[in-house]
Amino acid sequence: QVQLQESGPGRVKPSETLSLTCSVSGYSVNKDFSWAWIRQSPGKGLEWVGSVFYIGTTYYNPSLKSRVTISLDTSSNQFSLILTSMTAADTAVYYCAREGGRGWNYCSFDPWGQGTLVTVSS
Amino acid sequence: SSELTQDPVVSVTLGQTVKITCQGDSLTSYYASWYQQKPGQAPILVIYGNNNRPSGIPDRFSGSRSGNTASLTITGAQAEDEADYYCNSRDRTGDHVLFGGGTKLTVL
Repeated sequence: QVQLQESGPGRVKPSETLSLTCSVSGYSVNKDFSWAWIRQSPGKGLEWVGSVFYIGTTYYNPSLKSRVTISLDTSSNQFSLILTSMTAADTAVYYCAREGGRGWNYCSFDPWGQGTLVTVSS
Repeated sequence: SSELTQDPVVSVTLGQTVKITCQGDSLTSYYASWYQQKPGQAPILVIYGNNNRPSGIPDRFSGSRSGNTASLTITGAQAEDEADYYCNSRDRTGDHVLFGGGTKLTVL
C-alpha cells in the first residue's frame, strides 16, 4: 500500500529556512495525483500549506505563498517543502499527504504521513 | 467567503446518531471530504467526494450536502468514534484547499 514518511529537523531558529522531505513508497509521485503539505499548530486545526501536481505544477496557500516552495524529486520518489523566514507562528506538526481530486469537484488527502513536529526556537 | 465553518464541540450518546456540519460558499461548487483525528495521530480520511467511504471505513459513516452545508453523519456512534473531525474542500477558484476549524466529538 501507499506510505508516506516525513523527515527533517525538529528545530529551526527564527528567521532560518525549514526544509522537509516526504518519502513515498508504493506509488510513483510522477504517475498521478498531487502531493501536499499540511500543518497543525499545537492544539489547533489543520492548515493546507501547498501541493505539487504530479507534472510539477504547484499550488500554495495564499497566506504563505511568498515563503513556500514545494517540489518533486522523481529520481528519489520524494517531494519536499521549503519554508523561509521561519517564526514562532510556524511551529507545528507538518504532515505530507497524497491529494486526490485535483481537476475534479472534490479534494481529499489519503494517505497521510505520521507527521513531524517542527519547533521554531533560538 | 473563503472559509469553512464547523461547530467546535458536538456530543452524542453511545449508539445514537450524530450529524457534524460544515458550512461554506465553496461547498456549492465542491464536495466536502471528512477526516477523523485522534490525539497524537495523523488524520484519516473517512468520507470523500461527498459520500464515498475509503476501504476500511465503517458504513456507519456517511456524508451529504444541502446548499452550502456539508454533513458527516455517524449512525450508531461508538466509543471509538470520539475524536476531532475536520471537513475540507477546494476554494471557489479550485486551485487552493480549505479546511474547517474542526469539531470535537464526545461520545457520552
